[in-house]
Amino acid sequence: QFVLTQPPSASGTPGQRVTISCSGGSSNIGSKAVNWYQQLPGAAPKLLIHSNNQRPSGVPDRFSGSKLGTSASLAISGLQSEDEADYYCTTWDDRLKAWVFGGGTKLTVL
Amino acid sequence: EVQLLESGGGLVQPGGSLKLSCAASGFTFINYAMSWVRQAPGKGLEWVSAISGSGGTTYYAGAVKGRFTISRDNSKNTLYLQMNSLRVEDTAIYYCVKDLYWGSGSGSDWGQGTLVTVSS
Repeated sequence: QFVLTQPPSASGTPGQRVTISCSGGSSNIGSKAVNWYQQLPGAAPKLLIHSNNQRPSGVPDRFSGSKLGTSASLAISGLQSEDEADYYCTTWDDRLKAWVFGGGTKLTVL
Repeated sequence: EVQLLESGGGLVQPGGSLKLSCAASGFTFINYAMSWVRQAPGKGLEWVSAISGSGGTTYYAGAVKGRFTISRDNSKNTLYLQMNSLRVEDTAIYYCVKDLYWGSGSGSDWGQGTLVTVSS
């Protein structure tokens, strides 16, 4: 059971815009910044978005993050075949004193 | 360039112990909190433990509290995870992670992972 809730799957066609949601509670998303990771098949996770909407150097601006209340979203515009991966949201939970993850969303590019 | 190189994984019987190491380079190690995150085969990511830059503060996931110990040697730029009383459900790839900010869940750099298999 994961503290943060993500849809297990999402899909889109090349060029489309897709969004992945992440919902939590007051002790995590409601009071802490959200981060997003991309995990390509067979690879280690890669930080995609930190502090709700900040892209590390090298991450294309096709990827964007937002947060409202106890929910967050990752948006991918201009979808490309290489975006096919698993995406995870995470943040710190002040009550649990722990990193908490969503269960991950498998993105398929049709 | 940040490099994180894990070692120490392998096959161990239930109830056994294993110590993972993570050799860090390319950044000022003492300035950054570090974490361990694991991923069971075919499953999602699960945070295991975190340690502050000085080593003075540590946190653990409930599933490993009392069995695992995180530590670091800042003179050797190395992070450790001592795992005792291992269970079958501890089987996973264990990643060493450099935290962007302490207590944020933002791992800016990840190692390639080391596989721990707990089986009789």
